[in-house]
Amino acid sequence: EAGVAQSPRYKIIEKRQSVAFWCNPISGHATLYWYQQILGQGPKLLIQFQNNGVVDDSQLPKDRFSAERLKGVDSTLKIQPAKLEDSAVYLCASSLGRTSVSYNEQFFGPGTRLTVL
Amino acid sequence: AQRVTQPEKLLSVFKGAPVELKCNYSYSGSPELFWYVQYSRQRLQLLLRHISRESIKGFTADLNKGETSFHLKKPFAQEEDSAMYYCALSGAGSARQLTFGSGTQLTVLP
Repeated sequence: EAGVAQSPRYKIIEKRQSVAFWCNPISGHATLYWYQQILGQGPKLLIQFQNNGVVDDSQLPKDRFSAERLKGVDSTLKIQPAKLEDSAVYLCASSLGRTSVSYNEQFFGPGTRLTVL
Repeated sequence: AQRVTQPEKLLSVFKGAPVELKCNYSYSGSPELFWYVQYSRQRLQLLLRHISRESIKGFTADLNKGETSFHLKKPFAQEEDSAMYYCALSGAGSARQLTFGSGTQLTVLP
């Protein structure tokens, strides 16, 4: 089966500019995650969607970051305006999101590497 | 709050030698622990989870609740094991989000 798709793969912008990332999850996966991975650190969850609703966005810097999953499939993550410290790899992941099991394996996309100059 | 600590950023071993990647966690309840792996130019992927008690690619990990550890072990390392390894924890709650450690880069030397 096709995996999680992300675009673009690389993006270089100047501080205070805006940027958007796109994610297409595995078909049939109800849960979608956006992670931020700063160099030398592990992935940190920014936001979790279940279908088109937000389950957890407690670590999303809402003054500059926004995300949506309007039709419960694709998702976009936006940063406006970007800061130097936003330089990171942004990972999208998806899972089946079955509530009947204790864990649904997350499948990760290739990531988008953002450099803010 | 939940926290995962991987004390070694870099670890090098020779082919055929045993390897142990350390992971300690902090969580007040009963967590689920996982190891994720990222090979060069590949995606992050699940290696194993403690509940399944499986051995994947010769790797095993035992959850030690007394020491709050979940170390990853393999008796005989292979060059293809060279990768970045992340320990992760999932706590209780409806979201069951993952908290990752900072990772250990394993290099298996020929």
